[in-house]
This record gives sequence, C-alpha cells and structure tokens, in this order.
Amino acid sequence: EVQLVESGGGLVQPGRSMKLSCAASGFTFNNYDMAWVCQAPKKGLEWVATISYDGSSTYYRDSVKGRFTISRDNAKSTLYLQMDSLRSEDTATYYCARERYPGITSHFDYWGQGVMVTVSS
Amino acid sequence: DIQMTQSPASLSASLGETVTIQCRASEDIYSGLAWYQQKPGKSPQLLIYGASSLQDGVPSRFSGSGSGTQYSLKISSMQTEDEGVYFCQQGLKYPFTFGSGTKLEIK
Repeated sequence: EVQLVESGGGLVQPGRSMKLSCAASGFTFNNYDMAWVCQAPKKGLEWVATISYDGSSTYYRDSVKGRFTISRDNAKSTLYLQMDSLRSEDTATYYCARERYPGITSHFDYWGQGVMVTVSS
Repeated sequence: DIQMTQSPASLSASLGETVTIQCRASEDIYSGLAWYQQKPGKSPQLLIYGASSLQDGVPSRFSGSGSGTQYSLKISSMQTEDEGVYFCQQGLKYPFTFGSGTKLEIK
C-alpha cells in the first residue's frame, strides 16, 4: 500500500524557516517524481514544487522561487521542503504527492494526509 | 500560466441524478487534465487522469471527457459518498494549476 506521511509543520514567525518531511513507503521511491502541493485555509489547491526521480531537476512556482527548496533522499525514501523567509501568505496545509507522467502530462496519484504550516507573529 | 476555470462553484443533486462539472483551460492542454475529489478534512483523491482515464479503484459512475480547452467530469448516478469538493488540474506545463473547485452536495 502506498503511504506518504508528512511531518514538520506548526507555527512559525514571519521571516523564519521550517523544514517539512514526507516519508514514503509501499512503492519504489526512486522511480517517481515527487511534488508538494499546498492549500490555504478554505481555499483551493496550489502546486508548489516538483523534484525529478533522481533529484537532478527541480521546478517551483514563482512565489516560492529563491525561498523554498525541494529535495529528496532516495536511500531514506523521504521527500523534503525547506521553507525560508516565510510569509503570512505561505500559511497553508502542505501535501506531499506522488507525480505520474504517462506521456506528456502529469498528475498526482497519491497524496499524504497533509501538514499545517501557520506563519504568524 | 495556464488558467483553469471551473464551473459551477457549487451544486446540489438528488440521489441517482447525473451530475456534470466543467473545466476550461486558457489554452490547449492536449488532454492533460486530471480530476480530484476532496472530502472535508481529507487530502484530495485522484479520480480521472489524461482527461478520460479512470484511476484504479474509482467507481465506474465517474467519467471524464473533453479535449483542447474544454473538459468535463460526469457522475452518472449521484451517491451519498460523492459529496465533496471537486478540482480539475492541468498537467501540461509548469506551474501546474488547479481549478477553484466545485462543491457538490446532496439535495
């Protein structure tokens, strides 16, 4: 059974940093691209970042470029999101998701339960 | 960025009724369209990918269609467990973008 379990969220002050982790199991982690998707309270979904299966390529939405870093440790089957210079607008539930690429387009076939990040003084 | 316009924002349906949700992309996304269902307090669940391919384990009453910029999700016979919020997502270009969601309730 595919499982994605996020951890590391909580309350953080504006301008500070936080690192999220996502432990994967039930599939061969290093065969899949992985992503982070966020959802502000009572709002829609926003793709945040994607990392290729081997970590060689990363992609970010403009609003987090230069502040967030997606990474992975394939030996530990773990995905990370380092979030620096946090802003109040980063407040959201962050989901780890497995990305599938059957052809020329992508979708997310498994999602974690999500972890809440609240940026507030 | 590719904009995804989803409609309606909300709807209510009777048990057994057929429901259709629309999603329009701001440019051709070559069937790179996925649909997700999200229930309160839960993470999204993939229903349809590639515009019309049913994800394993998803009931056959769910179907997707469309091409170019226009796509739709159909639920052929509304069930109680189908209540939730539905999102479309384009997966052609970064940044991947989602529709604003359709809240589906039982009438």
